[in-house]
Amino acid sequence: GAGVSQTPSNKVTEKGKYVELRCDPISGHTALYWYRQSLGQGPEFLIYFQGTGAADDSGLPNDRFFAVRPEGSVSTLKIQRTERGDSAVYLCASSLAGNSYEQYFGPGTRLTVT
Amino acid sequence: GQNIDQPTEMTATEGAIVQINCTYQTSGFNGLFWYQQHAGEAPTFLSYNVLDGLEEKGRFSSFLSRSKGYSYLLLKELQMKDSASYLCAVIKAAGNKLTFGGGTRVLVKP
Repeated sequence: GAGVSQTPSNKVTEKGKYVELRCDPISGHTALYWYRQSLGQGPEFLIYFQGTGAADDSGLPNDRFFAVRPEGSVSTLKIQRTERGDSAVYLCASSLAGNSYEQYFGPGTRLTVT
Repeated sequence: GQNIDQPTEMTATEGAIVQINCTYQTSGFNGLFWYQQHAGEAPTFLSYNVLDGLEEKGRFSSFLSRSKGYSYLLLKELQMKDSASYLCAVIKAAGNKLTFGGGTRVLVKP
């Protein structure tokens, strides 16, 4: 079946611009996660949704970052006033439920801020 | 705080065995995952250990010692396609997010 999909696969934007990154989880998965991965590093947690609500947003670095999942399926990560330090691969993952279930990762969106 | 350590890079020969160690110090522990990540691709699940001991799955095995805060991933009969990064990740008892180590890049040479 279809896995987790993310769009766009690559995004280049200028410093100060606004970007939206989209994630389509596996159908039926209630839990959705966003991670950020810098080159040569492991992924870092940003935010976790259980259904429509953000169950844990402790990883969001500052108030320029925001994420929504209005219908409990597709999620959008929004970054305002982008900075060069935001450049990374943004990974989305989904799982059947939270708490110890295997997380299935999407291919990621590579964001480059110039 | 969270601290998950694994070697940065390892090199091995095709057909050989490589062991990737991971040590962790976390506030809360519910299990440990190993993921494989080829360059430019998504991490893919390899194993999940909750209890102490060795779990074998084909050419890959994973070991956990909760008292020592230690795990390893064992790759046997190495193939060229095993060249990838291997990520150790801990999931805490009260939460759902994965906390990853920095990853170990394994290079398999002919």
